[in-house]
Amino acid sequence: TQLLEQSPQFLSIQEGENLTVYCNSSSVFSSLQWYRQEPGEGPVLLVTVVTGGEVKKLKRLTFQFGDARKDSSLHITAAQPGDTGLYLCAGTTSGTYKYIFGTGTRLKVLA
Amino acid sequence: GAGVSQSPSNKVTEKGKDVELRCDPISGHTALYWYRQSLGQGLEFLIYFQGNSAPDKSGLPSDRFSAERTGGSVSTLTIQRTQQEDSAVYLCASSLGGSRDTQYFGPGTRLTVL
Repeated sequence: TQLLEQSPQFLSIQEGENLTVYCNSSSVFSSLQWYRQEPGEGPVLLVTVVTGGEVKKLKRLTFQFGDARKDSSLHITAAQPGDTGLYLCAGTTSGTYKYIFGTGTRLKVLA
Repeated sequence: GAGVSQSPSNKVTEKGKDVELRCDPISGHTALYWYRQSLGQGLEFLIYFQGNSAPDKSGLPSDRFSAERTGGSVSTLTIQRTQQEDSAVYLCASSLGGSRDTQYFGPGTRLTVL
């Protein structure tokens, strides 16, 4: 069974602090995605990474795909209250359309 | 420019009753996915449609769960003889159809089984 473990599960920080969320698996993924979900809504895609070692930046968010394509991280610089939400990673393996979602990290940024 | 819509937004039912959940994908999207999310956790894959066919229904938890898609558009997820453990948010997503195409999610249906 493919599993994506995220850590930490919960994170409460002050505005302006930096944070990193991790997504780990024993399986190799052909691509990995990060989503943010707000209460009462569906997840919204933030980024897709497909190459081992790839780093993508989206304003204050930096995403990295591990060299072996088994893990990923999301780093937020100078967090803002608007970053509050549930962050989910999701991976897919070659030849399938099935997405395996991680366990989720609930982030709260306090003003 | 409508997104993915789902109905109803909330459904409360009694144990043992059948329920139908509906998903209207974005027009032109050939791929459609159903997921289940419990207590704000990660999403559990249920079934994937490409057009009207379901090449992967491996995530359906039991034979009480079924889904269909008609006209390459609307999909219905049916749960028969509901149990309390079926309580969750059921999310639908659609995409253009490629394995790495962006999935656009609906707001979900919150199902509560009493």
